[in-house]
Amino acid sequence: GAGVSQSPSNKVTEKGKDVELRCDPISGHTALYWYRQRLGQGLEFLIYFQGNSAPDKSGLPSDRFSAERTGESVSTLTIQRTQQEDSAVYLCASSFAGGLGYTFGSGTRLTVV
Amino acid sequence: AQTVTQSQPEMSVQEAETVTLSCTYDTSESDYYLFWYKQPPSRQMILVIRQEAYKQQNATENRFSVNFQKAAKSFSLKISDSQLGDAAMYFCAYPNSGGSNYKLTFGKGTLLTVNP
Repeated sequence: GAGVSQSPSNKVTEKGKDVELRCDPISGHTALYWYRQRLGQGLEFLIYFQGNSAPDKSGLPSDRFSAERTGESVSTLTIQRTQQEDSAVYLCASSFAGGLGYTFGSGTRLTVV
Repeated sequence: AQTVTQSQPEMSVQEAETVTLSCTYDTSESDYYLFWYKQPPSRQMILVIRQEAYKQQNATENRFSVNFQKAAKSFSLKISDSQLGDAAMYFCAYPNSGGSNYKLTFGKGTLLTVNP
């Protein structure tokens, strides 16, 4: 597609429920990133996918967080048993071959009530 | 751990005036990139300008320019002839060193208000 597409745009969920966030990168971009942005904060790195290489999961805050990507296509970020501190904007970005010319999506605002 | 510091949580500027947003960072690397991103209410992060540390010349993109002071580890963004559309959060960012240079470390941001 023309840009990085994320869905849903907004999500409200009850504490303890699981949520799945989706990112559709720019066609041809082999690298995909997830970042979290808490209110009033900068972005925190969560996970990085590059082609078929093993992802860098070093930023995932707990084992309740997981992400998948098949090849160079869509990625999903799953948060299990959501907690109130998971409330944030989750931003996805993609780029060519791990380059720093990221293109970001508009994010998913997750609110855990 | 790498740090990127933006000491101005909020700034305001009159339309058509000039404003400078500050950023300092900490690194032991000699060659690296630095970035300024803009985040309007749409939430999408938009790359405004980037600077390569080995280049002495400050980067410029139309009304946006940087003042890069490598020794001081300072990377400020100057917006000239400010426009209402410049109102947004602005983030300074720096790539991690070594093999994980695909990760960016962001400052906490500066909220810029442009007054008509």
